Amino acid sequence: AQSVTQPDIHITVSEGASLELRCNYSYGATPYLFWYVQSPGQGLQLLLKYFSGDTLVQGIKGFEAEFKRSQSSFNLRKPSVHWSDAAEYFCALGSNFNKFYFGSGTKLNVKP
Amino acid sequence: GAVVSQHPSRVICKSGTSVKIECRSLDFQATTMFWYRQFPKQSLMLMATSNEGSKATYEQGVEKDKFLINHASLTLSTLTVTSAHPEDSSFYICSARDMKGNSPLHFGNGTRLTVT
Repeated sequence: AQSVTQPDIHITVSEGASLELRCNYSYGATPYLFWYVQSPGQGLQLLLKYFSGDTLVQGIKGFEAEFKRSQSSFNLRKPSVHWSDAAEYFCALGSNFNKFYFGSGTKLNVKP
Repeated sequence: GAVVSQHPSRVICKSGTSVKIECRSLDFQATTMFWYRQFPKQSLMLMATSNEGSKATYEQGVEKDKFLINHASLTLSTLTVTSAHPEDSSFYICSARDMKGNSPLHFGNGTRLTVT
């Protein structure tokens, strides 16, 4: 069965520090993977996506993610976090593109 | 980039009334749109898949007679919450996918529904 797991519910990092948000998936075929960000009371904004090819994908706002098939992971990273990055982040898996499965989300707090 | 417009952003209604939420894809055509519900501090729960020109496909446990979905054109889907009750209060988000090739979901900004 398809599923997406985000093991960390909350993460707090200091401004300027590096960030890694974990995402693991379960899927029987080649996954289509996405990271979205949600600010309070807002919809979801796409940060980046992986379809195929280069396993390191670059996104907006300085984010990147690496697809590791052997680990069934698609972790999101940012070298230096800004206060405006505080939000909730969702990892998602698209199966044949008509159904998306979302992780439970990771709430990021940024300390000044 | 692709934009999905959702309206209204907030609505307050009385128990027993109906509320309609609109979802429009502004610069692309979407044969399929999706409606999600998000409870506080939780992830998105897929309610139904809206298909242009045909009936929506509802997820298990979602009442189709309560959450009416109409996808009348390639750029518009509507969700009507009928006979709303306080337990229907939630954040509803629509999303759409460009029908051309592989593309991600694009989300509206959501509708905060409060039923009093």
